[in-house]
Amino acid sequence: DVKVTQSSRYLVKRTGEKVFLECVQDMDHENMFWYRQDPGLGLRLIYFSYDVKMKEKGDIPEGYSVSREKKERFSLILESASTNQTSMYLCASSFPPTRRRGSYEQYFGPGTRLTVT
Amino acid sequence: AQKVTQAQTEISVVEKEDVTLDCVYETRDTTYYLFWYKQPPSGELVFLIRRNSFDEQNEISGRYSWNFQKSTSSFNFTITASQVVDSAVYFCALSAYSGGYQKVTFGIGTKLQVIP
Repeated sequence: DVKVTQSSRYLVKRTGEKVFLECVQDMDHENMFWYRQDPGLGLRLIYFSYDVKMKEKGDIPEGYSVSREKKERFSLILESASTNQTSMYLCASSFPPTRRRGSYEQYFGPGTRLTVT
Repeated sequence: AQKVTQAQTEISVVEKEDVTLDCVYETRDTTYYLFWYKQPPSGELVFLIRRNSFDEQNEISGRYSWNFQKSTSSFNFTITASQVVDSAVYFCALSAYSGGYQKVTFGIGTKLQVIP
């Protein structure tokens, strides 16, 4: 079974702190994603990575950065946490799309509920 | 730009009733993929089905069935004889392949509550 793990289920941080959210997958997926989930807004893509050291901005990258030093690990960094970054953060991974098979499904981690006070 | 609309934010049904979750999408791509995911109270999204834009056959998997209609840009999901374990948030998603990248757009989700 595909396994995507996230470092914490719940996290409470203070405004201005630097926050690291870690994600690890064990299926050798090239693509990894970070989303945030907020009521009424669904899932919104923050960043994604299609290879080691490669990253692309998603729809809402402001206030976030990412790091992918190893294929299996994708980190989301909040340089200076703010209260409007209180949210559920979901990591996902998938194989890359191919011309023949098209888009693959994503596999998600359990999520990290971050509260910034 | 692509868009996914799930107009039903919350649905409540009594156990054993059938329920249909609606999904309407917009895209300019001729090749695209549609997905449904289930998010139970534990929080982890689980993949249910993938459908490509060239395959309009309906699919049935146990109590679950999916109706893809390109003419109305809809990809609806029906649960027959609902059970309490079906209570979850269900997301419809659209993905278009573009030169090695896949941009996935999710709907806002439909929260289904099955009452015993």
